[in-house]
Amino acid sequence: DTGVSQNPRHKITKRGQNVTFRCDPISEHNRLYWYRQTLGQGPEFLTYFQNEAQLEKSRLLSDRFSAERPKGSFSTLEIQRTEQGDSAMYLCAPETGPNTEAFFGQGTRLTVV
Amino acid sequence: GNSVTQMEGPVTLSEEAFLTINCTYTATGYPSLFWYVQYPGEGLQLLLKATKADDKGSNKGFEATYRKETTSFHLEKGSVQVSDSAVYFCASVSQGGSEKLVFGKGTKLTVNP
Repeated sequence: DTGVSQNPRHKITKRGQNVTFRCDPISEHNRLYWYRQTLGQGPEFLTYFQNEAQLEKSRLLSDRFSAERPKGSFSTLEIQRTEQGDSAMYLCAPETGPNTEAFFGQGTRLTVV
Repeated sequence: GNSVTQMEGPVTLSEEAFLTINCTYTATGYPSLFWYVQYPGEGLQLLLKATKADDKGSNKGFEATYRKETTSFHLEKGSVQVSDSAVYFCASVSQGGSEKLVFGKGTKLTVNP
């Protein structure tokens, strides 16, 4: 049990389709982070929320990506018109600051074919 | 911004051998430092962390000491086991602002019986 539930665990989609992932922290956290991990690389920051507000977006987050955290609890990450380069593991973390446990969900593995 | 440079892999050892995986960081101020482990087919797990200079993080026989003078956080284990085979990631985070984690590229460790 990682304290964070991510769904789906795996998603295979055709190029050009839209996909949506969900992250549900088990307990309340002010912040929530999304990271992306491509094969053979370390995770890279995508975006984060402070409550409902999306405060920072990485350059990796193109216009095809949108993230929400409508009630300050769970979050969704949508990718429109998927491309093969979007194939990666998408990770969610409730808190990643210096004084936190900085734990991650199991991730959603996206494969675009 | 912060960056982390990690020893390139892969690393292959025999069981009971000594392990060192090098990690150095650049940051403004004094970041907190982490080691994560990713077993095959699984998500990221926090292995250990250190939040200030000279702190030693330890867990499951692994250790790493925060060395400000050399900006390093090398991971060590005195006697590795086959079950330690995994990918290891070094990461840093600075207090304030987004407090997002910055990861190294990862080092794949294979331990043979």
